[in-house]
Amino acid sequence: DSGVTQTPKHLITATGQRVTLRCSPRSGDLSVYWYQQSLDQGLQFLIQYYNGEERAKGNILERFSAQQFPDLHSELNLSSLELGDSALYFCASSPRFSYNEQFFGPGTRLTVL
Amino acid sequence: AQTVTQSQPEMSVQEAETVTLSCTYDTSESDYYLFWYKQPPSRQMILVIRQEAYKQQNATENRFSVNFQKAAKSFSLKISDSQLGDAAMYFCAYRSGDNNDMRFGAGTRLTVKP
Repeated sequence: DSGVTQTPKHLITATGQRVTLRCSPRSGDLSVYWYQQSLDQGLQFLIQYYNGEERAKGNILERFSAQQFPDLHSELNLSSLELGDSALYFCASSPRFSYNEQFFGPGTRLTVL
Repeated sequence: AQTVTQSQPEMSVQEAETVTLSCTYDTSESDYYLFWYKQPPSRQMILVIRQEAYKQQNATENRFSVNFQKAAKSFSLKISDSQLGDAAMYFCAYRSGDNNDMRFGAGTRLTVKP
């Protein structure tokens, strides 16, 4: 158990809908990262937050957005969902802005029908 | 942009034997970190081993060790005395020293035969 929690574990929704994925980092970790893993593929970096501020952006679609709250938990919002958004979404955390290890949560499996 | 290549989509090894998974990366940076992550059927991402580019000594964690060849931009993972629990997808990852996103390879699926 990495100490990073993600909810929900599974999410099934329809095209065009909007969902919110939640992540609670390890106690004391200030940095949160979001990744997308499509079927049998590697992870794609989406976005990073540090202490409430966006610090790095990867291949995140405009339909997706995220934020980190004062209690350091983070939410990833996915809107106008398409079939291709079906994937495993991971949250990871690390203690500082730039740290050589990230601790991954168990992931949220999103299925768009 | 940095890219990570894992040229072996699948590998298999006999229990108790040794297997080596390959990874190459492309970068013009001198400061970076390399990682091997394991993803078992549970889908949890588990850090296996990490290597700082400035360290010449190859990292070792129990049965897992790496062969880091900086000039060749190669970072292979050796698993000794393979166990059934080692069966998983293995991802090689690169992180720049001044950037925070990790670049992952496509993964190698390791099967361990009893």
